[in-house]
Amino acid sequence: NAGVTQTPKFQVLKTGQSMTLQCAQDMNHEYMSWYRQDPGMGLRLIHYSVGAGITDQGEVPNGYNVSRSTTEDFPLRLLSAAPSQTSVYFCASSKRGSRVGFEQFFGPGTRLTVL
Amino acid sequence: GEDVEQSLFLSVREGDSSVINCTYTDSSSTYLYWYKQEPGAGLQLLTYIFSNMDMKQDQRLTVLLNKKDKHLSLRIADTQTGDSAIYFCAPDSGYALNFGKGTSLLVTP
Repeated sequence: NAGVTQTPKFQVLKTGQSMTLQCAQDMNHEYMSWYRQDPGMGLRLIHYSVGAGITDQGEVPNGYNVSRSTTEDFPLRLLSAAPSQTSVYFCASSKRGSRVGFEQFFGPGTRLTVL
Repeated sequence: GEDVEQSLFLSVREGDSSVINCTYTDSSSTYLYWYKQEPGAGLQLLTYIFSNMDMKQDQRLTVLLNKKDKHLSLRIADTQTGDSAIYFCAPDSGYALNFGKGTSLLVTP
């Protein structure tokens, strides 16, 4: 299993550009989430999904869109990038009914810089 | 989201014990996790405790939970330089996790 994969690893955007951060998992997990990590702020939840076709907002959803057309993929779209979206983005997945409760498996992250 | 508080830094000498503390506000959390993040890497699950337990031991790791005070701690015995990392406390909350800001552990020789 590849686990949770994210592409790209690094990205530089100009203000106003749009892009999609890709996330895929091959563990057949129902739940997937996007977090952003900023220095001194820990991880904050952007959006999450409990299954294909179902998404919901987390703590900091503004400026981001998500969709979940398949169990495997959960892309995060930045509609019009802003410098405040400079961050490291982590995708995570977890399985319903895991013996470890809601253990989340994390991807390696995408480091995004918006100029 | 719910608040999760951790001290930001901890420095210990190699061989000593490390204790990282966490307080949280969501009393409905069923599982409480500790994640470890090494520089430039993603997060890896270190250990966890179920909310009806007050202690869990896993090799060098001991997790203590005081549910009444909503206080969680992680003790690392015989701390090694390879334990230097950021440690996150993360109680579960619905379909995701609430993360603290992380405690940077520095282990000096």
